[in-house]
Amino acid sequence: KAGVTQTPRYLIKTRGQQVTLSCSPISGHRSVSWYQQTPGQGLQFLFEYFSETQRNKGNFPGRFSGRQFSNSRSEMNVSTLELGDSALYLCASSPGQEQAEQYFGPGTRLTVT
Amino acid sequence: AQTVTQSQPEMSVQEAETVTLSCTYDTSESDYYLFWYKQPPSRQMILVIRQEAYKQQNATENRFSVNFQKAAKSFSLKISDSQLGDAAMYFCAYRSAETSGSRLTFGEGTQLTVNP
Repeated sequence: KAGVTQTPRYLIKTRGQQVTLSCSPISGHRSVSWYQQTPGQGLQFLFEYFSETQRNKGNFPGRFSGRQFSNSRSEMNVSTLELGDSALYLCASSPGQEQAEQYFGPGTRLTVT
Repeated sequence: AQTVTQSQPEMSVQEAETVTLSCTYDTSESDYYLFWYKQPPSRQMILVIRQEAYKQQNATENRFSVNFQKAAKSFSLKISDSQLGDAAMYFCAYRSAETSGSRLTFGEGTQLTVNP
């Protein structure tokens, strides 16, 4: 099976712009979670989607949003970018059952200038 | 809310030696999962080992084993016969088994250096 893929891998945006990141889970997986990784805050949970519904949400402002499509692919959107949004954004997929492992993608490195 | 703490920002070990990485967590839940993830320079997060809180037996995966002390809320990772490829950032993570979802709470990470 192919692993979790994230596109694009690298992105440079200007403050005030918006950005959309994409995550394709492993085939058959129905859950996709998003994490932000920064040197200062570490790894922080953004949100999780399961069968096109948001199942969990972390403590991020409303500028951060996401969605999941019927094929389980997920997108996250950040509007009105701030310098502090520069980070590695990781997504993880799992089948969705309670005991299931999560498999991470390679991440998208977002730089906001 | 659950918290995970890794008190060792950096650790180093000689190749072929054994090293132990520490992790403590705080939770009021009784049913949960604990994980160790490895993040090499490529930034790809790789699951190293997992432990179910209801299991008293410590998990092992080849050269990797854990010391799970539920009462003390401690979850350390032992790497035996360290190899150069073990050099990476290691994260301890918690996941509730009492609420739905796959949300992971991570510690700050421990950067492991393996010296030849």
